[in-house]
Amino acid sequence: AQKVTQAQTEISVVEKEDVTLDCVYETRDTTYYLFWYKQPPSGELVFLIRRNSFDEQNEISGRYSWNFQKSTSSFNFTITASQVVDSAVYFCAFLRGFGNEKLTFGTGTRLTIIP
Amino acid sequence: DTGVSQNPRHKITKRGQNVTFRCDPISEHNRLYWYRQTLGQGPEFLTYFQNEAQLEKSRLLSDRFSAERPKGSFSTLEIQRTEQGDSAMYLCASSPGGGAGEKLFFGSGTQLSVL
Repeated sequence: AQKVTQAQTEISVVEKEDVTLDCVYETRDTTYYLFWYKQPPSGELVFLIRRNSFDEQNEISGRYSWNFQKSTSSFNFTITASQVVDSAVYFCAFLRGFGNEKLTFGTGTRLTIIP
Repeated sequence: DTGVSQNPRHKITKRGQNVTFRCDPISEHNRLYWYRQTLGQGPEFLTYFQNEAQLEKSRLLSDRFSAERPKGSFSTLEIQRTEQGDSAMYLCASSPGGGAGEKLFFGSGTQLSVL
């Protein structure tokens, strides 16, 4: 069975600091997808990124970057120069490939940016 | 482009009553998903539709739960004989349905409280 672990339950950093959110997954599949979603206080989950298991290139989007390492089954998320608007709960999620539509979410990391 | 809409936002009911939630996906999105989220946890998959066909149901979905998507547009989720353990946020999401590993667009959810 697939499993996603986000060991950090809560993180608080001062504004403008960098912060990394950890995600570790377990699977025996060779084809799969990994996601990060953001859940602000309004409750609506917002898609941030998707990677497939064959693409280990790291990705940067503005202040956000993602480090995917199959060797350690990790898909970590870094926010550079954090801002108060980054305060939210962040979820890592796993999807098996080939026609499967059931996302498995981690328990989330609550990030608080202190102004 | 309007997002995924869920109604009501909040529902308080007494144990044993039936409740029904509605989800309006993004127009022309073929796939529609229901997830349940309890406090401090990530969303858990309940079921999903490809157009009007319900293609997968989680074992979490007991026989008191039923979901429909009669014309492949909006969907309803009904819970019969509610129990206190049903208290949760019920999230709806949609996706275009054109490929594997698509990103999901989530609504703001319906918060159910069973007294």
